[in-house]
Amino acid sequence: AQKVTQAQTEISVVEKEDVTLDCVYETRDTTYYLFWYKQPPSGELVFLIRRNSFDEQNEISGRYSWNFQKSTSSFNFTITASQVVDSAVYFCALRATRNTSGTYKYIFGTGTRLKVLA
Amino acid sequence: KAGVTQTPRYLIKTRGQQVTLSCSPISGHRSVSWYQQTPGQGLQFLFEYFSETQRNKGNFPGRFSGRQFSNSRSEMNVSTLELGDSALYLCASSLEGRQGRGYTFGSGTRLTVV
Repeated sequence: AQKVTQAQTEISVVEKEDVTLDCVYETRDTTYYLFWYKQPPSGELVFLIRRNSFDEQNEISGRYSWNFQKSTSSFNFTITASQVVDSAVYFCALRATRNTSGTYKYIFGTGTRLKVLA
Repeated sequence: KAGVTQTPRYLIKTRGQQVTLSCSPISGHRSVSWYQQTPGQGLQFLFEYFSETQRNKGNFPGRFSGRQFSNSRSEMNVSTLELGDSALYLCASSLEGRQGRGYTFGSGTRLTVV
């Protein structure tokens, strides 16, 4: 079975605080991809990062950083010095397993709503 | 470079009617996927098209159908609408869906069934 769990439904922080969004995934595949997307109030999902299962290096992009740990099946996302513009719903997604028709599909977590208060 | 364009942005329909949603992918993108987003179920995969062929389908009833044209534009159709079909329908395109690249999503069509 494949599954993505984002246990944090909603998080509120005060501006400039650091915040970590958790993502735990399940898959039996050895090759898979993990993603994070941001969904601002406007609705569209914005691609943030992709990580393949063979690359466990942590990634830093400005105030964003990602910690991928295969041992715990986690792909957590940290925002440093949060800003009001970071307020959005953040989705973690897994792409794995060639299904019977030979294709893939994404499995999204239920999302974490982040509220950054001024 | 224009993003993924979905039309219309908002739609109100009554039960029993049918609806067609449109998605124009980023130029050059050949893979188009559709998702339904509801507060209760989250993001659920509907189907994926590549070069006018449906490559993958989620667990939705046959009332939900789609197609892709030669210019990669895609339409999604829902027949005999039910109240539970009220949702944000998101379209996403990618260069080649099998490569594990990230999607680019449109802003969605918010469908309300009354």
